[in-house]
Amino acid sequence: KAGVTQTPRYLIKTRGQQVTLSCSPISGHRSVSWYQQTPGQGLQFLFEYFSETQRNKGNFPGRFSGRQFSNSRSEMNVSTLELGDSALYLCASSSTGDSEKLFFGSGTQLSVL
Amino acid sequence: DQQVKQNSPSLSVQEGRISILNCDYTNSMFDYFLWYKKYPAEGPTFLISISSIKDKNEDGRFTVFLNKSAKHLSLHIVPSQPGDSAVYFCAASATFQGAQKLVFGQGTRLTINP
Repeated sequence: KAGVTQTPRYLIKTRGQQVTLSCSPISGHRSVSWYQQTPGQGLQFLFEYFSETQRNKGNFPGRFSGRQFSNSRSEMNVSTLELGDSALYLCASSSTGDSEKLFFGSGTQLSVL
Repeated sequence: DQQVKQNSPSLSVQEGRISILNCDYTNSMFDYFLWYKKYPAEGPTFLISISSIKDKNEDGRFTVFLNKSAKHLSLHIVPSQPGDSAVYFCAASATFQGAQKLVFGQGTRLTINP
């Protein structure tokens, strides 16, 4: 069974641009969560989607948005990029959203210059 | 407001000795606690968990202890092996409005020295 796949692996953008990250969950998993990892801050929860509906949301500004498609694949979009958005963005999938059974992808490393 | 805190950014332990990683939380609503392990260039992987109704859970070399009154949990690794070198994240879970929310700590980088 293939794991969680995130693309692209690395991304370099400049301030003011927007970016879209993609996540393909494990086959059969309907829940997809997104996290931001920065040094010293750990993993900060962005949002969770379940069956195409946003079920939970963290404390991030509206520049961060996401969606989930009918095949459970998910995208995350960040508009008007800021230097502080440089981070590793991790996607995790699970069959139900049960926190114990979260399976993470390898992440997308975003650098904003 | 950091609800889950790992106050030690790094820890160095000799191979064969015990590694103890600590985690504190502030929200008494958390009812499930987990530890994840992360190697460079990989996503975190689930390691071990504990329910708030227990005070200890053991899985091979890994044991998690929960002290609810102190809002503190710890992960013990005995004996420590070089392959245990990684970043360890503590996480706490609670159900808010029907949805489970997972809050992570900042992580502790564990280095096992041969």
